[in-house]
Amino acid sequence: GAGVSQSPSNKVTEKGKDVELRCDPISGHTALYWYRQSLGQGLEFLIYFQGNSAPDKSGLPSDRFSAERTGGSVSTLTIQRTQQEDSAVYLCASSQSWASQNEQFFGPGTRLTVL
Amino acid sequence: QQQVKQSPQSLIVQKGGISIINCAYENTAFDYFPWYQQFPGKGPALLIAIRPDVSEKKEGRFTISFNKSAKQFSLHIMDSQPGDSATYFCAASGDGASNYQLIWGAGTKLIIKP
Repeated sequence: GAGVSQSPSNKVTEKGKDVELRCDPISGHTALYWYRQSLGQGLEFLIYFQGNSAPDKSGLPSDRFSAERTGGSVSTLTIQRTQQEDSAVYLCASSQSWASQNEQFFGPGTRLTVL
Repeated sequence: QQQVKQSPQSLIVQKGGISIINCAYENTAFDYFPWYQQFPGKGPALLIAIRPDVSEKKEGRFTISFNKSAKQFSLHIMDSQPGDSATYFCAASGDGASNYQLIWGAGTKLIIKP
């Protein structure tokens, strides 16, 4: 079956512009995560969605970052007034349910470059 | 206490050799320890995972060794192949109210020389 998909695969933007990154999780997966991965670095947790529960936004680095998940499926990560330090690969993952011991399935990521 | 420390940052191994990557944790409530493998341009993918009721788990050429008293776990890749060249992440979870979150190591870039 289809895996997690993300779009666009690459995004180049100018400092100060807003960007939207999209994630389509695996059908039926109720848990969805966003991570940020800077070049050669580990995964930085950003936000977590589980079903209709309130998302855990504790990893969002500033109020310029927001995310929503519509209908319990597709998610959009929005970065307002982008800064050069926002340049990174943004990864989305989904899993069957909330438990961390469920395998997380990752998309290929969106590489964001802020000029 | 939530950190997972991974070493080395990078590793070069000759084809056929054994690759060893180590991770250490502080939180004794952690009870799930996966390893993820990431190829360039791809997202990480689950490679192998262990729970603390066993000291070792083997899947093919990949083995996790777990030392509960030392709070350490390691990934061993036997007969390393050029196709194993990737970045490897250890992780841990199981800490009560936030146990939907994996706590990630910083990653190890592994290069297998032919």
